[in-house]
Amino acid sequence: QVQLVQSGAEVKKPGASVKVSCKASGYTFTGYYMHWVRQAPGQGLEWMGRINPNSGGTNYAQKFQGRVTMTRDTSISTAYMELSRLRSDDTAVYYCARVDIPLGVDCSGSCYWSNWGKGTTVTVSS
Amino acid sequence: QSVLTQPPSASGTPGQRVTISCSGSSSNIGSNTVNWYQQLPGTAPKLLIYSNNQRPSGVPDRFSGSKSGTSASLAISGLQSEDEADYYCAAWDDSLNGPSYVFGTGTKVTVL
Repeated sequence: QVQLVQSGAEVKKPGASVKVSCKASGYTFTGYYMHWVRQAPGQGLEWMGRINPNSGGTNYAQKFQGRVTMTRDTSISTAYMELSRLRSDDTAVYYCARVDIPLGVDCSGSCYWSNWGKGTTVTVSS
Repeated sequence: QSVLTQPPSASGTPGQRVTISCSGSSSNIGSNTVNWYQQLPGTAPKLLIYSNNQRPSGVPDRFSGSKSGTSASLAISGLQSEDEADYYCAAWDDSLNGPSYVFGTGTKVTVL
């Protein structure tokens, strides 16, 4: 079965960077897009972007352009999300999520995901 | 910032029907499909409805989704205590900066 295991909680100071990992198992890692979503305390869900694990191609939400970098290491089936120049309002739980529809099948406008990691809490505080 | 608008709360007694609305625009709901997620406290969201009205395996049929124009709705019939959770709609948005995925503002459902 699909499993997404995320790295542990992080505490960072303002201005620092954080790199969260998401180790996938139970399927062909390079066969499905991986997305990142975050949720600030008491707030709603916010899409950050996605990575094509096969090509490494990325799409980022405009809000995070220039501050977020999504990468992957196919040798260990792991996706990464790095957020730089952290601010206090970046304090949130960060989730990775795998798209249900495989690469090669066009789901433009209709892609969805049912597999989520458990989340990584990132706290930004001086 | 959310571009899909939901009511902040909804409630009902066990067995009642509750409906949650989700309002968007022509660039998101108007041109793409809608998904719904359920989030219990302290847990990751769970896919409840995809492609407007499809239920993943294991989701009870008391949950149903629909879409019309630039709005969508989620209905919970035969409300149960375990349905008390936060619910989010979501859709792809065809913005000028490329596709992005947008979530609704979220609705907290309370079972009275």
